[in-house]
Order: sequence, then C-alpha cells, then structure tokens
Amino acid sequence: DVKVTQSSRYLVKRTGEKVFLECVQDMDHENMFWYRQDPGLGLRLIYFSYDVKMKEKGDIPEGYSVSREKKERFSLILESASTNQTSMYLCASSPSLGAPGNEQFFGPGTRLTVL
Amino acid sequence: GQNIDQPTEMTATEGAIVQINCTYQTSGFNGLFWYQQHAGEAPTFLSYNVLDGLEEKGRFSSFLSRSKGYSYLLLKELQMKDSASYLCAVYGGATNKLIFGTGTLLAVQP
Repeated sequence: DVKVTQSSRYLVKRTGEKVFLECVQDMDHENMFWYRQDPGLGLRLIYFSYDVKMKEKGDIPEGYSVSREKKERFSLILESASTNQTSMYLCASSPSLGAPGNEQFFGPGTRLTVL
Repeated sequence: GQNIDQPTEMTATEGAIVQINCTYQTSGFNGLFWYQQHAGEAPTFLSYNVLDGLEEKGRFSSFLSRSKGYSYLLLKELQMKDSASYLCAVYGGATNKLIFGTGTLLAVQP
C-alpha cells in the first residue's frame, strides 16, 4: 500500500513563528504536492515538486516555501506564521507528472492553528 | 479561467441512489478524478475518466461528457458509511496540475 505520512496531525503555533510541516512517502513517487483545505474553498495547491531539489509554485504560494532534498521527503515551511494560515494542510504524491490518470495519494493532513 | 462547480450539500436515504454532478471549465483537459473524503481524513481515490462514457466500479459509477464539460458520480445502494465529501478534480492540460472543486457533502440518512 502507498503510504504518505505527515509529521503532525495537529499543530498550534503563535504568530511570527517559523513552522515546518514534513511529508514522507514510501512509494518512490517522483511528484509531491502541498495543498491547503479550507471550508468553502476546497483544496488549493501551494507548491509541488516533480524531482529532488525541483519546485514549482502552485496557486497560492505566498507566505510559504518548500524543500525537497530527498525523493521521499517534501517539507512545507511557513517563514513567519500568520493567523490566515490556520488551515488543514494536505500532502500528496503521485508516480508521474506527465501521465494523467496517475492518481494522487494523500497523507492524513495536519490541522494547523496559528494564534 | 479555471472553474469547477459542484453542489455544496446533498442528502439521500440509505439504500437509495444519488447522483453528484460536476461541471468544469478549464484551459485544457487531461482527465477527471473523483475522490471521497470522510470528515477529518485524507481524500481517497474513487474513479478516473478521460474518455466520454460511464466507468463502473462496484456501487460507484462515474460519467464524463467532454463536449459538455460535465461529469457525475453515481452511488447506488447507499450505506451510512457513504456519508462523506465527494471531490471532483480535473487535470488541466496546460499545467498538469489537479484542480479541485469545493466538494459535495453527502449525508446519508436512515
């Protein structure tokens, strides 16, 4: 079974703190994604990566950065957390970007609250 | 622009059939996915359509009409455990990114 794990299920941080969200997949997938999910807005893509050290901006990259030093690990970084970044963060992976039909496998999500 | 529309909420009765519609307008099209997401859990893959027609998988079927920019997910013999959000997502051709609708929250009642 494909497994995508995220470092925390729940996280509470203070405004201005630097926040790291970690995601690990065990299926040797090339592509990894970070989304946030908010009521009424659905899943929105923050960043994605199609290879080690490669990254592409998604639809809402402002206030976020990412790091992919190893194929299995994709980190999302909030340099200075703000209250409007309170959300559910979902990581996903898929085997190939250029082959539609390859589904994305999601991690369990991290519910981040910024106070 | 890119837009995916689905109803926000639906209610159905255990044992019945329900159809969840999805319409899309995207700059390209390389396939449409349906995902199921239970409250507090990760989305899980249900179906994928890239050609027109109906794809059947047990109690779940998904239909696609590319000319109409339209898909539906059909759930038969509804069970209480089918209460969840159902997400429609389209692979936009130009970007290869998956674009999600806001999801349809389905409540199955006894």
